[in-house]
Amino acid sequence: SAVISQKPSRDICQRGTSLTIQCQVDSQVTMMFWYRQQPGQSLTLIATANQGSEATYESGFVIDKFPISRPNLTFSTLTVSNMSPEDSSIYLCSVKQDLVPNTEAFFGQGTRLTVV
Amino acid sequence: RKEVEQDPGPFNVPEGATVAFNCTYSNSASQSFFWYRQDCRKEPKLLMSVYSSGNEDGRFTAQLNRASQYISLLIRDSKLSDSATYLCVVTFGPGGYNKLIFGAGTRLAVHP
Repeated sequence: SAVISQKPSRDICQRGTSLTIQCQVDSQVTMMFWYRQQPGQSLTLIATANQGSEATYESGFVIDKFPISRPNLTFSTLTVSNMSPEDSSIYLCSVKQDLVPNTEAFFGQGTRLTVV
Repeated sequence: RKEVEQDPGPFNVPEGATVAFNCTYSNSASQSFFWYRQDCRKEPKLLMSVYSSGNEDGRFTAQLNRASQYISLLIRDSKLSDSATYLCVVTFGPGGYNKLIFGAGTRLAVHP
């Protein structure tokens, strides 16, 4: 299993500002995933963050809006840029057992973002 | 069409009832299948993996039909503590780089 520490746990932000969410894992992993969960919805994958390369974004998500850093194998950040109320959501980071296919994913506790 | 589809519910059942959830997926190349549980305001956690032969874990039974691209979860003798959202999850992608795709979830409420 993996222990993931994510922060902040929640924030209330003004529109037009940016928020950076941090995710720290207690073991080295090649891939980290960032998800968004809008109110009453399920999880939508934003991007996959690989150490040493640019993140891979899913359809509908772009780097300018959600820049991701992955400086080492235990840490990643997701920035929500130029926020609007539509960005109000829970953001979760996730990891899987390193490069082993078809294994379970572990999640951080999530960041509950409210944009006003 | 969504990649993973579930009945959103909610399912309101009394304690002791048996309840079944269904899930369909669109990508025939999907490789593995899971049920996750998400409690209110918490992160998702793995409930069980789903195998073609079917598998059981206590009161929970999961089934997979690859030909029909259909997954099910059966909960017997429901407990109040089973109240949660159940997420159907599939993976696809190359080898160890595969990613998880979540269904919208099915809400279960077990009442006394």
